[in-house]
Amino acid sequence: AQSVSQHNHHVILSEAASLELGCNYSYGGTVNLFWYVQYPGQHLQLLLKYFSGDPLVKGIKGFEAEFIKSKFSFNLRKPSVQWSDTAEYFCAVNARAAGNKLTFGGGTRVLVKP
Amino acid sequence: GAGVSQSPSNKVTEKGKDVELRCDPISGHTALYWYRQSLGQGLEFLIYFQGNSAPDKSGLPSDRFSAERTGGSVSTLTIQRTQQEDSAVYLCASSWGQGGDSPLHFGNGTRLTVT
Repeated sequence: AQSVSQHNHHVILSEAASLELGCNYSYGGTVNLFWYVQYPGQHLQLLLKYFSGDPLVKGIKGFEAEFIKSKFSFNLRKPSVQWSDTAEYFCAVNARAAGNKLTFGGGTRVLVKP
Repeated sequence: GAGVSQSPSNKVTEKGKDVELRCDPISGHTALYWYRQSLGQGLEFLIYFQGNSAPDKSGLPSDRFSAERTGGSVSTLTIQRTQQEDSAVYLCASSWGQGGDSPLHFGNGTRLTVT
C-alpha cells in the first residue's frame, strides 16, 4: 500500500539545537510534497511545499526541506530551533498516480526545551 | 475573508446515536477534504470532494460514515450508530484547484466523544 512514513514520533531538544525530521513516501511518479505544522491549540497550517524545480525549498520561520527523489524522501530541517517551534509536524504527499488525495504521515511531536 | 469553519467544535454523544458534522470551506475553494485525527494515529484521510462530487471515498471507515457537499460549498459528514472508536477530532480542509496541487486550509476541527 502506498504510504507516507515519518520516522520519529517524538523529538525533544534544547533551544539552538538543530532539527531534522525524516519523511519517506512510497509513491512513484510525480509527487507534490508538503510539511504542515500544528502549534498547540491551533489548526494545521502549511510550513512549506515542493511542486517542482529546486529540490531545496525554504518555508516560513527558518524551516527548509530537501526533496531527494532517489530516496523518496522529503526531510524537514531547521538549523537552530526556538521554544516556539514546539509543535506537531506532518509530512504530506499528493501523488498523481493516486489521484488528488493528500496523504499524511503519522506526525512528529517536537518539544523544544527553553 | 474567513477561514474554514467547522461546527460544532465539540460534540459528546452516546453510543448508537447519529451525529452530523458541518464544514464551511473558504469561499471559492473547489476542493474539500475530511480527515480524522486520533491520538497517535496522525491524520487519516476520509473523503475528498471536487465541487459536489466525491472522486475518492476510499477512506470512509465503514458504511456508517457518509458525506455530502452541496452548492460546491458546505459539506456535512454524518456518522450513524456511533461507536466509541469513532471518538476523534474530525478535520475539514479546503483548497483551490485540483486538491493536492495547492495547499490545504484547515478548520479547527470537531472533537467527537462517544460515550
